[in-house]
Order: sequence, then structure tokens, then C-alpha cells
Amino acid sequence: EVQLVESGGGLVQPGGSLRLSCAASGFTFSSYWMHWVRQAPGKGLVWVAGINSDGSSTRYADSVKGRFTVSRDNAKNTLHLQMNSLRAEDTAVYYCSRGYNWKFDYWGQGTLVTVSS
Amino acid sequence: DIQMTQSPSSLSASVGDRVTITCRASQSISSYLNWYQQKPGKAPNLLIYAASSLQSGIPSRFSGSGSGTDFTLTISSLQPEDCAIYYCQQSYSTPYTFGQGTKLEIK
Repeated sequence: EVQLVESGGGLVQPGGSLRLSCAASGFTFSSYWMHWVRQAPGKGLVWVAGINSDGSSTRYADSVKGRFTVSRDNAKNTLHLQMNSLRAEDTAVYYCSRGYNWKFDYWGQGTLVTVSS
Repeated sequence: DIQMTQSPSSLSASVGDRVTITCRASQSISSYLNWYQQKPGKAPNLLIYAASSLQSGIPSRFSGSGSGTDFTLTISSLQPEDCAIYYCQQSYSTPYTFGQGTKLEIK
């Protein structure tokens, strides 16, 4: 059974940093693109970042480019999102998702990031 | 960036009704269009991929159609458990943009 479990969310002050993790199991993690998608409270879904199977290629939304870094550890089946210079507008539930044939077929349960003083 | 526009933003329908949600892309995306269902407090769930392919485990009352810029999600006979928000998403090019969502309520 495919499972994606996010962790690392919490309350952080504006300008602070946070590192999210997504532990994957039930599939060959090293064979798939992985993505981060976020959802601000009461709002819609926004794609944040993606990384290819071996970590050699990354993509970012303009709103996070230069502040967020997506990475992966295929030996530990774990996806990461390093978030720096956090802003109030980064407050959201962050989901990790598996990318397969241009679809996001499995999603984690999400982890809440709150940026507030 | 490719903009995705859904209509309507919300709708209310009765059990057994046929429901249609539309999604329009700001430029051609071929068939790189996915549909997701999201229930309150839960992660999105993939329903339809590549515009018209039904994801494994999804009831056959859900179907998708379209290509280019105009797409449709149809629920052939609405069930109470279909109360949710539905999102389209283009996977043609990054950033992989989503529509604003359609909130479906049961009368």
C-alpha cells in the first residue's frame, strides 16, 4: 500500500525557516517524481515544487523560488522541503504527492505550517 | 503560466442528478488535464487523469472529456458521498496550476 506521511509543520515567525519531510513507503520511491502542493486555510490548491526521480531536476512556483528548496533522499525514501524567509502568505497545509504519468496519484495527509508572530 | 478556470464555483443538486463541471485552460494543454475530489479536512483524491481516464478504484459514475482548452467532469448519477470540492489541474507545463475549485452540495 502506498503511503506518504508528512511531518515538520508548526508555528514559525515571519522570516524564519522550517523543514518539511515526507516519508514514502509501499512503492519504489526512487522511480517517481515527487511534488509539494499547498492549501491556505479555506483556499484552493497551489503547486509549490517538484523534483525528478534522482533529484537532478527541480521545479518551483515563482512565489517560492529562491526561498524554498525541494530535495530527496532515495536511500531513506524521504522527500524534503526546506522553507526559508517564510512569510504570512506561506501559511497553509502542505501536501506531498507522487507524480506518475503527469498525474498526482497519491497524496499524504498534509502538515500545517503557520507563519505568524 | 497557464490559468485554469472552473465553472460554476458552486452548485447544488439532488441525489440521482447528472452533474457537469467545466474547466477551461488559458492555452491548449492537449489532454494533460486531471480532476481531483477533496472532502473537508482530507487530502485531494485523483478521479480522472489525461482528461478522460478513470483512476483505479473510482466509481464509473465519474467521467471526463475534452481536449485542448475545454474540459468537462460529469457525475452521471449524484450520490450523497459526492458532496465535496472538485478541482481541475493542468499537467502540461510547470507551474502545474489548479482551477479555483467547484463546491458541490447535495440538496
